[in-house]
Amino acid sequence: AQTVTQSQPEMSVQEAETVTLSCTYDTSESDYYLFWYKQPPSRQMILVIRQEAYKQQNATENRFSVNFQKAAKSFSLKISDSQLGDAAMYFCAYRSANAGNMLTFGGGTRLMVKP
Amino acid sequence: ETGVTQSPTHLIKTRGQQVTLRCSSQSGHNTVSWYQQALGQGPQFIFQYYREEENGRGNFPPRFSGLQFPNYSSELNVNALELDDSALYLCASSFPDQRESGELFFGEGSRLTVL
Repeated sequence: AQTVTQSQPEMSVQEAETVTLSCTYDTSESDYYLFWYKQPPSRQMILVIRQEAYKQQNATENRFSVNFQKAAKSFSLKISDSQLGDAAMYFCAYRSANAGNMLTFGGGTRLMVKP
Repeated sequence: ETGVTQSPTHLIKTRGQQVTLRCSSQSGHNTVSWYQQALGQGPQFIFQYYREEENGRGNFPPRFSGLQFPNYSSELNVNALELDDSALYLCASSFPDQRESGELFFGEGSRLTVL
């Protein structure tokens, strides 16, 4: 079974600064997807960024980028120019290419942004 | 295009009771999945439905059951409620070709409290 670990229960960043959230995973599969989801107090999970395991290039979405290290099974999220609206719970998630909608989530990291 | 909507948003039950939670998928989505998110933890996959049939299940007992209707709306039923069933229940839907897109669209969840 796959597992996803987020070792930082809480992180804090100053507005406009950069922060990196860590995620490691364990799998024996070669074809899978990795995701970062944001969950604000409204509770709705919002997709931040996704990475296909077969792609060597790290995904980027505006201020959000990932550092995908397949051999090390590491998938960190970097948020640049942090904004107050970035404050939320962030979850790393894994999905096998053949697992439909079955995501395996990490335990989450609470990000606080200081003005 | 409407998003994923869930009802009720909050509810309180007592041990031994039964509960039904409802989800309306985003327009055009024919795959729906349910997740349980205990307080302070990441979501855990319960099961998923595709074309009205369950086609994937996580580590949850049979008292967790579901339905998907022809209009792709869905229900989650939990019988013989236990205190540990207290959690946020999230519904997520995706496009038929979600294997390629990899994106799930989540509702805001139903917060269940079991006393």
